Amino acid sequence: EAQVTQNPRYLITVTGKKLTVTCSQNMNHEYMSWYRQDPGLGLRQIYYSMNVEVTDKGDVPEGYKVSRKEKRNFPLILESPSPNQTSLYFCASSLAGDTQYFGPGTRLTVL
Amino acid sequence: GIQVEQSPPDLILQEGANSTLRCNFSDSVNNLQWFHQNPWGQLINLFYIPSGTKQNGRLSATTVATERYSLLYISSSQTTDSGVYFCAVAGSTLGRLYFGRGTQLTVWP
Repeated sequence: EAQVTQNPRYLITVTGKKLTVTCSQNMNHEYMSWYRQDPGLGLRQIYYSMNVEVTDKGDVPEGYKVSRKEKRNFPLILESPSPNQTSLYFCASSLAGDTQYFGPGTRLTVL
Repeated sequence: GIQVEQSPPDLILQEGANSTLRCNFSDSVNNLQWFHQNPWGQLINLFYIPSGTKQNGRLSATTVATERYSLLYISSSQTTDSGVYFCAVAGSTLGRLYFGRGTQLTVWP
């Protein structure tokens, strides 16, 4: 089944404890992105990648890192999480920047 | 970046009614998509429609790129249509997407 998977789906952590949210797609898509969704603000892009080793900033990249070492994986790294990074996170992929396919979301709480 | 405005922010309908959701954007775009987020949070792509008109069952969409707007039409609404509808656009950099704040649709039986 063609899909985008994210792990974990739910995470509660404490301020300053490094964490990684994984994202993987099995559709051989070139483009991948990370978004955060906050009430009343819609979705905001954090980082996107147009190919392996090619990444660029979106609306809200501060406090996040990404890497694209393989086409199928695009992990999101929070090196020192803070409470203002509490949010719902979505990973998405597309073949060539066209139709986006979203993962199920990761709900992160930083205490 | 590109500004995206959606209207109305909230819409309440009775089952069977028709509705039109609007998306205005501030610059020329090469990518425009409509998404539905269901009450469980899942995001589903409805249309990839940088220009022209498309139809899929009870849903259709039209983008008039020269006038910088897109419309999503929902006919004969069903309770399963409830959720938030988002419009997203990209300019010359296709992967750089800008989302609107969405239209919250509630359909009552």
